[in-house]
Amino acid sequence: AQSVAQPEDQVNVAEGNPLTVKCTYSVSGNPYLFWYVQYPNRGLQFLLKYITGDNLVKGSYGFEAEFNKSQTSFHLKKPSALVSDSALYFCAVRALSSGSARQLTFGSGTQLTVLP
Amino acid sequence: SQTIHQWPATLVQPVGSPLSLECTVEGTSNPNLYWYRQAAGRGLQLLFYSVGIGQISSEVPQNLSASRPQDRQFILSSKKLLLSDSGFYLCAWTSGNEQFFGPGTRLTVL
Repeated sequence: AQSVAQPEDQVNVAEGNPLTVKCTYSVSGNPYLFWYVQYPNRGLQFLLKYITGDNLVKGSYGFEAEFNKSQTSFHLKKPSALVSDSALYFCAVRALSSGSARQLTFGSGTQLTVLP
Repeated sequence: SQTIHQWPATLVQPVGSPLSLECTVEGTSNPNLYWYRQAAGRGLQLLFYSVGIGQISSEVPQNLSASRPQDRQFILSSKKLLLSDSGFYLCAWTSGNEQFFGPGTRLTVL
């Protein structure tokens, strides 16, 4: 079975400061890892993914995430937060070897609030 | 490019009434399709997924059902809504390794 943990329900950061949203995962074999963002009353938008290769992945809107296999983590980061980054963020995982259509397992979400 | 549509965007229904939510995908063929429910603006619960016409897998037993009458159409239904069915319903499809989500339907059961 695969699982994702987002240990923080809420993250607050001042505008212009760096931000980190944490994610750890559990999966059999190598993982595919994803970050999605959700604005109020909207569907989820894809931010970035890790499949293979460089552990530092760059995505949309200046976000990046670092894959750490030994710590089974995939934390989302941004060097300088904007008020418009305030949203709900979801981490997701699936096993590389998974042939099931069930695919992604999502974390419970982290509400990011960037304070002006 | 591929797009995914959901309607209605919002819906208010009385307890015991029927439900039909529709999802359609454009610009792709034979997609894997998914219905999720999001309660209280938080985690996603996978309800159903489909790998093809007429093929439905249920993840959670409940009073909801799903159907896929056409390749790019996925319908979520109920014969009698419960208060606990209130939530934000998201349709998604898969392209390769990624899932893409529709705009969602906000359902309120009174």
